[in-house]
Amino acid sequence: SQELEQSPQSLIVQEGKNLTINCTSSKTLYGLYWYKQKYGEGLIFLMMLQKGGEEKSHEKITAKLDEKKQQSSLHITASQPSHAGIYLCGADKVKDFNKFYFGSGTKLNVKP
Amino acid sequence: EAQVTQNPRYLITVTGKKLTVTCSQNMNHEYMSWYRQDPGLGLRQIYYSMNVEVTDKGDVPEGYKVSRKEKRNFPLILESPSPNQTSLYFCASSPVPWETQYFGPGTRLLVL
Repeated sequence: SQELEQSPQSLIVQEGKNLTINCTSSKTLYGLYWYKQKYGEGLIFLMMLQKGGEEKSHEKITAKLDEKKQQSSLHITASQPSHAGIYLCGADKVKDFNKFYFGSGTKLNVKP
Repeated sequence: EAQVTQNPRYLITVTGKKLTVTCSQNMNHEYMSWYRQDPGLGLRQIYYSMNVEVTDKGDVPEGYKVSRKEKRNFPLILESPSPNQTSLYFCASSPVPWETQYFGPGTRLLVL
């Protein structure tokens, strides 16, 4: 079973459309991290959220951590082909204290 | 340039033949991790290291060994590889636990 559940598993959107990816934990999240991976390549850090209700933005990507700190969403506004890739959420302390866990990822394709 | 390097990038081997995947970072980071990525499972942590000579098991350590004799290097050792270790492997480093992990480009391993 996954400590972090991501939805949807895959997403195909038309260029210019908005989209949202969700990451849910059954336990309180003390640090939630979003990464992007281009297919077959290494991960690139996007954002870190720690406080309930926190929201961060970078270019057209906004991530939020809900007040209960058990769910995070990643929202992309006016998607572009450059946004295509796999988005993964990650967190520590969701199961064993010192280990780090990733969700299973969301594959995003953006059609020109 | 700040980076994490892994070698080799691609490897085909046979069951039981010992192999080592090297990982090196030039950012003087204390924390390093190994992950494996499999379809539908996201990334799973194999081992991590908090500093030289300090290592601990991640979520899926069976069949793997690591060592941390120098701060910059964190090799992953498969003493007797099996086909279920066929996967995409990533090394990562960070200055503090789990914040802004820098990932290597990945090593694609096929065990026949």
